[in-house]
Amino acid sequence: DAGVTQSPTHLIKTRGQHVTLRCSPISGHKSVSWYQQVLGQGPQFIFQYYEKEERGRGNFPDRFSARQFPNYSSELNVNALLLGDSALYLCASSLDRGFREQYFGPGTRLTVT
Amino acid sequence: QQQVKQSPQSLIVQKGGIPIINCAYENTAFDYFPWYQQFPGKGPALLIAIRPDVSEKKEGRFTISFNKSAKQFSLHIMDSQPGDSATYFCAASMWGQNFVFGPGTRLSVLP
Repeated sequence: DAGVTQSPTHLIKTRGQHVTLRCSPISGHKSVSWYQQVLGQGPQFIFQYYEKEERGRGNFPDRFSARQFPNYSSELNVNALLLGDSALYLCASSLDRGFREQYFGPGTRLTVT
Repeated sequence: QQQVKQSPQSLIVQKGGIPIINCAYENTAFDYFPWYQQFPGKGPALLIAIRPDVSEKKEGRFTISFNKSAKQFSLHIMDSQPGDSATYFCAASMWGQNFVFGPGTRLSVLP
């Protein structure tokens, strides 16, 4: 069985631009969460989606948004990129909304110049 | 209250040693405490997890000790190997949501 997949692997953007990151959860998993991991720090929770609805949101500005599709894949969108948005963006999937075991993808490395 | 503190920041042990990583939390509503292992360029991988009604859990060479009254938990790696060299993160969550991660411990196991 394939694990969590994310695309693209790496991305370089300019300040002010917009970016879309994609995630496909493990087959059968219905919940997807997004995290931002700045170099040298632990992952920070951005969003959780379950059944296409936002079920949790971390302390991130409105420039960050996400959605989940009927096949449970998800997109994370970031508008008006800032230098500080440079990070590894991780997607994690879990079987259900309250299911505690979550599995991470390899991440998308975003560099904002 | 949502913070999880982790120490030490880095750790060096000899092969066969038992590195211990400690974490502390404030929010007593947390009900799930996992540990993740992350290699450079990879996403975190779930190692082992514990719930607050259990004081210890072992899976292979990895053991979690949990002290509910002190709001602390720790990871012990028995018979550590050079392949265990990685960054380890503790985390906490409520009802499987809104995970909070510690800042990480970089472990080096010398051959």
